[in-house]
Parts: sequence; C-alpha cells; structure tokens
Amino acid sequence: QKEVEQNSGPLSVPEGAIASLNCTYSDRGSQSFFWYRQYSGKSPELIMSIYSNGDKEDGRFTAQLNKASQYVSLLIRDSQPSDSATYLCAVRGSNYKLTFGKGTLLTVNP
Amino acid sequence: GAVVSQHPSRVICKSGTSVKIECRSLDFQATTMFWYRQFPKQSLMLMATSNEGSKATYEQGVEKDKFLINHASLTLSTLTVTSAHPEDSSFYICSAMPQGNRANYGYTFGSGTRLTVV
Repeated sequence: QKEVEQNSGPLSVPEGAIASLNCTYSDRGSQSFFWYRQYSGKSPELIMSIYSNGDKEDGRFTAQLNKASQYVSLLIRDSQPSDSATYLCAVRGSNYKLTFGKGTLLTVNP
Repeated sequence: GAVVSQHPSRVICKSGTSVKIECRSLDFQATTMFWYRQFPKQSLMLMATSNEGSKATYEQGVEKDKFLINHASLTLSTLTVTSAHPEDSSFYICSAMPQGNRANYGYTFGSGTRLTVV
C-alpha cells in the first residue's frame, strides 16, 4: 500500500511568517513530487513540482526533497492571508498515478 | 497552457438517474486522464485511469459498471455515474497527464463537478 502522510493541521501562522508543510511517502520507487493548493470547494491547483534531491524555489515557495529520508516539504515565505488553503502533497509512482496525502489546512492570520 | 475543462460544474439529479461528466484537455493531448472523487474534508481518491482508445483501469473497490468511463479521443474523457444514489454525492475531479516529459511538471486538474443526488 503506497502511502503519503501529511500533518493534518490545522497550521496557523501570522501574516508575513514562514509556513512549513511536511510530507513523507512510503514508496521508494516514487519519481516525482508535487504540492497542490486547494481552496474550499475548488479543485487542486499545482504550485510546485520537484523530482531531484535538494531545494527548488519559485517565488515565495520552496520545495525540498530528500529521497533517502522519503521526505518532501514546502516552505511558504512571507505568508499572506490568500495563502490560506489546504495543501496537498502528491507523489507520482512508476505507474504515473498520483497518490495524495490527506492535506494540511493552513490558516494565515492578518 | 495545460488547461483542462470539466463540465458540468454542478449537477443535481434524482436517485436512479445517470449523470455524465466531461473532461477536456484544451491545449494539449492527453492519452491518459484520471478521475478522482473527494468527500468533504477528505483527500482525493483515485477512482480510475482513463486511457485513450482502451478500457479504463479501475481502482480496487470502484464499481466499473456504475462508473462508466469513455476516452474516445486524445482530448476528451467522460465519466458517467449510472443509477446514481445519494451516497454517490461527491466532488468529482478529473486530471490530465500531458504526453512525454511534460508529465514531470505535474498534472492539471479540471475545475471539478459537484454532484448531489436527491
């Protein structure tokens, strides 16, 4: 059973702070890793993808991948109230299917 | 680029009727599309993998005769919920996998269909 685990939260941070979201996965054969943002009642929106060990930065977002530890994280710098959403970690296996974690609800307080 | 259109966005139907949901890739070809279901406050659960020109592959526990999937072209997949019952009420979301290396950059999701069976 391929599993993706996330802290369910909720995670609450003040505006301007750094939000840190974590994810672990069980399938060592996983190829690519994604972070999606999902607002309530909406479908997921891709915000970051990463498939090599290390950090990948895109604006205020930084994804970190450690395949040896089977761990992927997302940092959101200078958090804004508009970042308040559920963040879904998704892992793609060799069969091209995405397995999602349960998501972490992030609230950024003004 | 990589836009996926899903219709309808919301549908209410009577118990026992069938509902068809369409998923189109607008600016790319997708030989593979995925159908998910999401219940309130839960994550996305993969229902089936739709492959152009061949039968869909269903996840364990998903009734293939109830959730009919057709992927007749490289840009269109449809999910038909047959003989819908109130327990089928959920948020159905499709996603499309771009061909080739573009798949490494993630899959695009449709806007979802909120199905309510009364």
